[in-house]
Amino acid sequence: AQSVTQLDSQVPVFEEAPVELRCNYSSSVSVYLFWYVQYPNQGLQLLLKYLSGSTLVESINGFEAEFNKSQTSFHLRKPSVHISDTAEYFCAVSYNTDKLIFGTGTRLQVFP
Amino acid sequence: DTGVSQDPRHKITKRGQNVTFRCDPISEHNRLYWYRQTLGQGPEFLTYFQNEAQLEKSRLLSDRFSAERPKGSFSTLEIQRTEQGDSAMYLCASSLEGGNTEAFFGQGTRLTVV
Repeated sequence: AQSVTQLDSQVPVFEEAPVELRCNYSSSVSVYLFWYVQYPNQGLQLLLKYLSGSTLVESINGFEAEFNKSQTSFHLRKPSVHISDTAEYFCAVSYNTDKLIFGTGTRLQVFP
Repeated sequence: DTGVSQDPRHKITKRGQNVTFRCDPISEHNRLYWYRQTLGQGPEFLTYFQNEAQLEKSRLLSDRFSAERPKGSFSTLEIQRTEQGDSAMYLCASSLEGGNTEAFFGQGTRLTVV
């Protein structure tokens, strides 16, 4: 079955520390990958996406994710987090269809 | 355009009652999706429309659930004879056609069945 796994339900980290949020998906020939972020009391917002081409994609606020086909992973990283990055992060995959399959989410909590 | 809007934001209902939620997508988007999110889980796909046609329904969508998009613009999701297990956040999203396009989400309707 098509699935997305986010192994870490919560990731606590101090401000300015690096962070990695892990995401693995079940293998498929064709796949589109997304990271969505949900700030408190707000809707889901697209953070970044991989469709094709360069395996490293970046967001405007310093996050990046790398598509690794051999490991079926799409981990999200940021070299230095801010308090404002505190949110729930969801990895999602589209298997060449139009619906998204989401992971269970990772709550990133940044402490001062 | 203010994005995807959902109404109401919160709904409390007694078990056995019917409820209806509304979603207004971004105006030029022909795709509209409904997802359900329970505590500690990611959103789960329920159904989607392309214009007014309902193209796919998840097996999560029991016979008590019905969704419509009569004119290819706004959509409604109705739950009949609500059960406590229906308590969740119901999310609506819209996009242009194609699996590689960004889906824009509304803030959701939180349903509590007591």
